[in-house]
Amino acid sequence: DTGVSQDPRHKITKRGQNVTFRCDPISEHNRLYWYRQTLGQGPEFLTYFQNEAQLEKSRLLSDRFSAERPKGSFSTLEIQRTEQGDSAMYLCASSLRDDSESSGANVLTFGAGSRLTVL
Amino acid sequence: GESVGLHLPTLSVQEGDNSIINCAYSNSASDYFIWYKQESGKGPQFIIDIRSNMDKRQGQRVTVLLNKTVKHLSLQIAATQPGDSAVYFCAESPVIQGAQKLVFGQGTRLTINP
Repeated sequence: DTGVSQDPRHKITKRGQNVTFRCDPISEHNRLYWYRQTLGQGPEFLTYFQNEAQLEKSRLLSDRFSAERPKGSFSTLEIQRTEQGDSAMYLCASSLRDDSESSGANVLTFGAGSRLTVL
Repeated sequence: GESVGLHLPTLSVQEGDNSIINCAYSNSASDYFIWYKQESGKGPQFIIDIRSNMDKRQGQRVTVLLNKTVKHLSLQIAATQPGDSAVYFCAESPVIQGAQKLVFGQGTRLTINP
């Protein structure tokens, strides 16, 4: 396992089109997260899954955004009717829930991201 | 509201010197803090973390200091190397064992000069 994989790495689309990003987490990780990062800023939380259940969604996630993790493994993030303001890096991360308090427990491992440019 | 920020957006250090990156947070309920390093074209990479019941934790060439009184976090990197050049983010979360809904700061770009 080489870590968290995201596809595509880059996507250029026209305003109004739909786009879908895929994330393959580290295989033994039961938690999966989506974050968004705009240029010069830190990542912002969008949503997370524990196994196949989507347990929390940020208010940043408008109704044009939908995320799924149907089998508790890979996840997709779809953006419908894209807007120029959606241009950003979409980062996926995964973690293994660990009830210990040791350093590094529950740490999110991030993928390289999918960069979206909406023209 | 929750916010995590950094005092300096850029920092330049001579190779071999020590560097200190600072971070201020505003959520007094935060229980867990973490530093990530992000190189160009890559996702954030874990460096070191610390819980609120500690004030210092050391790793390999890195030390994180937490001052809960003034809500301040710092990352010290010893004997900096060219590979340390990156953007460094601090982040906080209310819990360590629950979902990691991390709140990230803006980031500090560290440049190591040869």
